[in-house]
Amino acid sequence: AQSVTQLGSHVSVSEGALVLLRCNYSSSVPPYLFWYVQYPNQGLQLLLKYTTGATLVKGINGFEAEFKKSETSFHLTKPSAHMSDAAEYFCAVSDENQGGKLIFGQGTELSVKP
Amino acid sequence: EAQVTQNPRYLITVTGKKLTVTCSQNMNHEYMSWYRQDPGLGLRQIYYSMNVEVTDKGDVPEGYKVSRKEKRNFPLILESPSPNQTSLYFCASSRRQGAGEQYFGPGTRLTVT
Repeated sequence: AQSVTQLGSHVSVSEGALVLLRCNYSSSVPPYLFWYVQYPNQGLQLLLKYTTGATLVKGINGFEAEFKKSETSFHLTKPSAHMSDAAEYFCAVSDENQGGKLIFGQGTELSVKP
Repeated sequence: EAQVTQNPRYLITVTGKKLTVTCSQNMNHEYMSWYRQDPGLGLRQIYYSMNVEVTDKGDVPEGYKVSRKEKRNFPLILESPSPNQTSLYFCASSRRQGAGEQYFGPGTRLTVT
């Protein structure tokens, strides 16, 4: 069965600092991988996704993630944090064997200090 | 505007009183799904539907029902809610399974006392 693990339920960075949110997955087949962001009192919004092709994926708001098959990782980064990046971030993998449902990690809450 | 809508956004109810949370999408998506979000557990799928009249259980289906009579609507039914169903619920839709992006509704916060 596929699974997703996000390291760190809470990450705090200073404004302008590097953001690194870690995600590891397990999958028996080539995965489709996603990062979603959830702002307070809102639904989830897609940041970026990896399906095939280039392993470095660029998303919205300056975020990017790199698919590393050898490490089964899909870490999310942003070079310089902004106050508006404060939110909860979810990594997810799509399970093709179960109707393509999304299997989510536990989430990482990002705080940005001024 | 392409969107997934859910109603109500907030609901407080008592144990055993049947309720329905509606979900509608205007993107002509075939695939729709319900998730619940609980602290420390991320989102878990309750039910999904790959097309009209086609539904299947997700990871946590106990205590829930769904129906898909029309392509755009996918209501979630709690026949006899219990306090352990207190949660934040999200409906999602996508054009196709797998690599297709899922679009999420704004969420319904349900409290069962």
